[in-house]
Amino acid sequence: DIQMTQSPSSLSASVGDRVTITCRASQGISNYLAWFQQKPGKAPKSLIYAASSLQSGVPSKFSGSGSGTDFTLTISSLQPEDFATYYCQQYNFYPYTFGQGTKLEIK
Amino acid sequence: QVQLVQSGAEVKKPGASVKVSCKASGYTFTSYFMHWVRQAPGQGLEWMGIINPSGGSTTYAQKFQGRVTMTRDTSTSTVYMELSSLRSEDTAVYYCARSDVVRGVIDYWGQGTLVTVSS
Repeated sequence: DIQMTQSPSSLSASVGDRVTITCRASQGISNYLAWFQQKPGKAPKSLIYAASSLQSGVPSKFSGSGSGTDFTLTISSLQPEDFATYYCQQYNFYPYTFGQGTKLEIK
Repeated sequence: QVQLVQSGAEVKKPGASVKVSCKASGYTFTSYFMHWVRQAPGQGLEWMGIINPSGGSTTYAQKFQGRVTMTRDTSTSTVYMELSSLRSEDTAVYYCARSDVVRGVIDYWGQGTLVTVSS
């Protein structure tokens, strides 16, 4: 199975900050990489697919990049509603696998 | 609008089975795959498998092979996930999630179903 490793596991930031989360795959996955946002007690929400394409309705403050094994999610101008846990997921090979999550907290 | 509505919470004893449903609406049911993903309390997301509602073909994660069965009913646009031989470690929220058939990209999620396994 492909292992997805996110860093950091947790991150403290202030409203207005820009943050970057990294996701590394244990082997190459081309650009078959998605990002999800999850708030406590809620289902995940799809943000990005194909490493850098925004899902419909997702604001442009979210951006993704990368290919192969190394990927990033950047969130600019943090607002209170952005504080959540973020997961990456590879969908190049079965079983699809997720990173362990990055919890973004308010400083 | 696309909606995936899951069945309600379940409490099961160890060794029992559970069957969770996910009713789809707002799109052509057979034109999208459906995944099942679970999340144990305080833990991350774990992919369990996928079903093609068109023909019923499935792919399961090795971890669940032999214990999980995913089926669908095209007449009601509903997919089902049955997990057998339940143990306490199966206590989790179970989600269905839709993906397109070409790229495998998950776009919509159900609200989740809490399954508690306890004696």
